Amino acid sequence: NAGVTQTPKFRVLKTGQSMTLLCAQDMNHEYMYWYRQDPGMGLRLIHYSVGEGTTAKGEVPDGYNVSRLKKQNFLLGLESAAPSQTSVYFCASTQHIGIVGNQPQHFGDGTRLSIL
Amino acid sequence: GDSVTQMEGPVTLSEEAFLTINCTYTATGYPSLFWYVQYPGEGLQLLLKATKADDKGSNKGFEATYRKETTSFHLEKGSVQVSDSAVYFCALVSFSGGYNKLIFGAGTRLAVHP
Repeated sequence: NAGVTQTPKFRVLKTGQSMTLLCAQDMNHEYMYWYRQDPGMGLRLIHYSVGEGTTAKGEVPDGYNVSRLKKQNFLLGLESAAPSQTSVYFCASTQHIGIVGNQPQHFGDGTRLSIL
Repeated sequence: GDSVTQMEGPVTLSEEAFLTINCTYTATGYPSLFWYVQYPGEGLQLLLKATKADDKGSNKGFEATYRKETTSFHLEKGSVQVSDSAVYFCALVSFSGGYNKLIFGAGTRLAVHP
């Protein structure tokens, strides 16, 4: 059972380039999330999805787009990368049982992205 | 808005020492509270949780009690090991903007030396 898998693990981009980060989960979870982790700031939610075909904005959505065409996959796109988007990106998923929010989120190992 | 405040790190301890990492929160109502742990090079893993006041979450020798009077959820362990070296995040569930989300503290790095 792989859990949550993120690809790639590392990437270096030049300002203005585009790329897509892939998140795949094999737990049949309904909810999926993209976070960014920056020093001293914990994790901040970029976008999230409550099911296949749905996406919504989180706290810091500007400069990112997402898609959830299949239940198991959640893609994060950077259309025109900026140095301020240098960060570690984490994907997470959780099942929807009972009160939403009480179930733990399962995290991938992260993607370290540097924008030069 | 809702927020979580953790003690700043790094926290450096010798093996078998007692650990406390302070966490306080500001929230409407009584949200579920969590401690997540991040080992080097890995994602976050749920360590323990408490869903209502006075609940005690525990796992792997770690404990935290949901204190609504002091709006706190301090993490404790009686005897730390080198393998406990990691970053620890306190978090709460917040309902705002039309959805539930996790709000994380900034994280506290723990380094345990032999």
